[in-house]
Amino acid sequence: GNSVTQMEGPVTLSEEAFLTINCTYTATGYPSLFWYVQYPGEGLQLLLKATKADDKGSNKGFEATYRKETTSFHLEKGSVQVSDSAVYFCALRGNQFYFGTGTSLTVIP
Amino acid sequence: GAGVSQSPRYKVAKRGQDVALRCDPISGHVSLFWYQQALGQGPEFLTYFQNEAQLDKSGLPSDRFFAERPEGSVSTLKIQRTQQEDSAVYLCASSLAAMGGSGNTIYFGEGSWLTVV
Repeated sequence: GNSVTQMEGPVTLSEEAFLTINCTYTATGYPSLFWYVQYPGEGLQLLLKATKADDKGSNKGFEATYRKETTSFHLEKGSVQVSDSAVYFCALRGNQFYFGTGTSLTVIP
Repeated sequence: GAGVSQSPRYKVAKRGQDVALRCDPISGHVSLFWYQQALGQGPEFLTYFQNEAQLDKSGLPSDRFFAERPEGSVSTLKIQRTQQEDSAVYLCASSLAAMGGSGNTIYFGEGSWLTVV
């Protein structure tokens, strides 16, 4: 079946630190992969996506590369800001969307 | 509208009360999804509509949950005889194409926060 496993949080970083949030998946076939972000009190917003192996999705300084050989889609950012504090969800698209449990990130000044 | 709109944003229901949650998807979007998000968890799939047809309702937790999209646009999720375990955020999402399309992205509303007391 389809599933997504995310690195557990919470993650606390200082401003300008490097961020990695790990995500691995199990799927039949070659699903599209997504990262969504949820700010406090808001719905989920699409952050980035990749539709095939070796694709790199990027947005707002965040990047993730679709690695078929390791079934991974890790989220990275070189220098986080306080405004990046949110919950991040990895997801895959199979016959419907499957989400990880989310990783809470807090960036302190 | 510009985005997926949900109402009410917040609902407090007494145990045993019926509730109805409304979703107005992005205009022209074929696919509509309902998800349930418990505190500290990721969204869990409830049901999927393609236009007015409910193609997948495998995620509905019990027969107290019912969803409809009679004209292929606005959808309502109804929960009968609410229980405390129904307390969660109910997220509606829509996408332009049917689920068969590749790279299909879904867009979420802000959610309806249900608390059953």
